Amino acid sequence: QVTLRESGPAVVKPTQSLTLTCSVSGFSLSSAGLSVAWIRQPPGGALEWLARIDWEDDKYYSSSLRTRLTVSRDTSKNQVVLTMSNMDPVDTATYFCARMTDFDWPLFDSWGQGTLVTVSS
Amino acid sequence: SSELTQGPAVSVALGQTVTITCQGDILRTYSASWYQQKPGQAPVAVLYGSNKRPSGIPGRFSGSSSGDTASLTITGARAEDDGDYYCNSRDVTGLLYVFGTGTKVTVL
Repeated sequence: QVTLRESGPAVVKPTQSLTLTCSVSGFSLSSAGLSVAWIRQPPGGALEWLARIDWEDDKYYSSSLRTRLTVSRDTSKNQVVLTMSNMDPVDTATYFCARMTDFDWPLFDSWGQGTLVTVSS
Repeated sequence: SSELTQGPAVSVALGQTVTITCQGDILRTYSASWYQQKPGQAPVAVLYGSNKRPSGIPGRFSGSSSGDTASLTITGARAEDDGDYYCNSRDVTGLLYVFGTGTKVTVL
């Protein structure tokens, strides 16, 4: 059974950095064709794709946020970590991690439950 | 442009058919996938590669694509189909991804 679980602070102050961890089970982060992606959703808003790390440790970032994002993984711990710098209140959102495949078509086939991050002083 | 635009809301009577659309230039190149999200829950994939259903998704969900528009059709809507639906595709680089603006489906 594939599971993903996000963890991290519920509140961060403006200008601080946010670090979120996605702990996965039921699959290997090194399995060919598999990636872990980060997606966020502001309250009442739409989904926004943020970043992806693939089975070869290649990383991809949203064009609009690439200067603030870093994604990494620890295969021994089955964890993927997202760091976002210089947080602002507009970054208040639920942050999801999801397993994805992208052979002929991208598919986010398993999601974590999400973690709400509020940016406030 | 890599933007994907969806209508904000649509309603459908129980048992009837509803189609929601996703429009964007990038859909002329790449296919769309569709995600259903219920309040307080993570999204769930209902279609990928324009018209393929993941395991466990009922056959009343179908998809199509023409030009710059992808469509999701629910035939014989059920109460549990209520929710927000988002389309998704690759962006113009082919390496990144973009979600649509979302459509709220209400089953009456």
